Amino acid sequence: LAKTTQPISMDSYEGQEVNITCSHNNIATNDYITWYQQFPSQGPRFIIQGYKTKVTNEVASLFIPADRKSSTLSLPRVSLSDTAVYYCLVSNRDDKIIFGKGTRLHILP
Amino acid sequence: DTEVTQTPKHLVMGMTNKKSLKCEQHMGHRAMYWYKQKAKKPPELMFVYSYEKLSINESVPSRFSPECPNSSLLNLHLHALQPEDSALYLCASSQGAGDKNIQYFGAGTRLSVL
Repeated sequence: LAKTTQPISMDSYEGQEVNITCSHNNIATNDYITWYQQFPSQGPRFIIQGYKTKVTNEVASLFIPADRKSSTLSLPRVSLSDTAVYYCLVSNRDDKIIFGKGTRLHILP
Repeated sequence: DTEVTQTPKHLVMGMTNKKSLKCEQHMGHRAMYWYKQKAKKPPELMFVYSYEKLSINESVPSRFSPECPNSSLLNLHLHALQPEDSALYLCASSQGAGDKNIQYFGAGTRLSVL
């Protein structure tokens, strides 16, 4: 599985749009890009998954360029409750996924 | 329903004790997982069960013994643990074949080994 690299931490303010970029230079053809959110003392929660171009759901958008070597998670109009760790990882139809170090997002009032 | 239920939520045990962690899902998922997470670190995969058979063991010490009694249940038996085994233990499940491996996690069991 391809290794992912993302910023260790980010700060933003309530109401702002937050973009977290993840690098996955060695992504394979059959790999998908998946993002999870984790609050303290809880399990990770699936946010969004994509293969190419743009995916949007009720929580976030995921932008993937044509070369698929990076991806950007976009959280619109964040609130204090979006303070969490966000993990980017690649996954495929195999069972194993590997979590990277994640990005600690801190939303300020 | 995307719920994975883990019990107990908290567990304190001595190094000579035997205890078990339990995990249950009713989503019809065919794969179930155990992860270990230390404070401020990402989850680390321990075991994977696929169709009730152990498919991945990430070189976990034998003091951790997984068991999958049926497709909905996953246990982790603990014996002679060390203080450094104190961590949040997470269970997850995924749909499997044809799926893109989206995993659904329980809230975890916070384990303290004294």
